[in-house]
Amino acid sequence: DAKTTQPNSMESNEEEPVHLPCNHSTISGTDYIHWYRQLPSQGPEYVIHGLTSNVNNRMASLAIAEDRKSSTLILHRATLRDAAVYYCILSSGAGSYQLTFGKGTKLSVIP
Amino acid sequence: DAGVTQSPTHLIKTRGQHVTLRCSPISGHKSVSWYQQVLGQGPQFIFQYYEKEERGRGNFPDRFSARQFPNYSSELNVNALLLGDSALYLCASSRDRDRVREQYFGPGTRLTVT
Repeated sequence: DAKTTQPNSMESNEEEPVHLPCNHSTISGTDYIHWYRQLPSQGPEYVIHGLTSNVNNRMASLAIAEDRKSSTLILHRATLRDAAVYYCILSSGAGSYQLTFGKGTKLSVIP
Repeated sequence: DAGVTQSPTHLIKTRGQHVTLRCSPISGHKSVSWYQQVLGQGPQFIFQYYEKEERGRGNFPDRFSARQFPNYSSELNVNALLLGDSALYLCASSRDRDRVREQYFGPGTRLTVT
């Protein structure tokens, strides 16, 4: 499976935008980029996914580099509820649909 | 709609014992996956089941097994428990096997092996 690299931790002030980076230099042409987050004492929660084009949904935006070797999850206005571990994941190949989680980025939001 | 449910929420077992964990997917979801999350790490894939058949298996020993029932609920079984099996066991469901489809996770079962 292609690997992702994320910073261990980041901090943000409440109500400010947050940019969470992810490097995936060995991504293949058919790999999708997924973001999940895990709030304390909960299971992971789907955030967004994309292939080549930037994507927006009600939770966040996903900006994908033109060469697809990196991507950025953008939270437009951080709230205390956004404090979580954010995982950047590449979909595995054909066959089973398994998510290969790394250690993720722990986001702290400062009031 | 109810989300993914798992039972029990917490469990304490002794080394060498056997454990069965249960998962009910979201209504209409046919795919169930199991993950193990050790403290401080991301979840690790154990199994995927779709239409009652095993479709994927992670790097776990044969002590781990699972099955999916006609109503798409699933059980994860672990035999001969080791201390290292202590973890949060997560179940995730998705509508089908499409790798683009988002997965919905349950709250997990916290297993402690003493």
